[in-house]
Amino acid sequence: SAVISQKPSRDICQRGTSLTIQCQVDSQVTMMFWYRQQPGQSLTLIATANQGSEATYESGFVIDKFPISRPNLTFSTLTVSNMSPEDSSIYLCSHSGNEQFFGPGTRLTVL
Amino acid sequence: GQNIDQPTEMTATEGAIVQINCTYQTSGFNGLFWYQQHAGEAPTFLSYNVLDGLEEKGRFSSFLSRSKGYSYLLLKELQMKDSASYLCAVRDLNSGAGSYQLTFGKGTKLSVIP
Repeated sequence: SAVISQKPSRDICQRGTSLTIQCQVDSQVTMMFWYRQQPGQSLTLIATANQGSEATYESGFVIDKFPISRPNLTFSTLTVSNMSPEDSSIYLCSHSGNEQFFGPGTRLTVL
Repeated sequence: GQNIDQPTEMTATEGAIVQINCTYQTSGFNGLFWYQQHAGEAPTFLSYNVLDGLEEKGRFSSFLSRSKGYSYLLLKELQMKDSASYLCAVRDLNSGAGSYQLTFGKGTKLSVIP
């Protein structure tokens, strides 16, 4: 199975700023996904990151708030824009495959 | 859309066996996953079932019945380190994205007591 790494592992940010989270997979994968886990909640899919085309966003998530890049088959970024305390969550990258694995996550705290 | 139900909390004794149930309603079913998540950490893959029956992997086993929309995770010889949240997730086709995606249940918080 492909190994996934994310950075940063955690960050504390000020309201109104933006943070870009990077996800690197050690082999080529077709689909990459970004999830959010708010405190005490389960995981919610933000978007599917498509290589060579625009990301597909789930209901409640928009590109202006969560722009995503997928420049190649091993890398993706998620930006959390104009942050507010409600964006404090763990953000997780995942890839497609029979056994779907997650990256270690990025714990974001917005003050 | 999907509807995934699992108990919110369970408590079991060290050394015992516990079964965590998950029921789901979905279309375009492409597999059911179980994950373990310790507090403050990312989910760890435990099992994947796409055909009916029991999959055994060490102390953990997972069962699937597609006709009943039902799965369970069985943990044997419980250890204190098994205290964690267990997430049931169903993969089905997201026609909007043109891909299969996971939808998660709310998770079952398991507490193992001495």
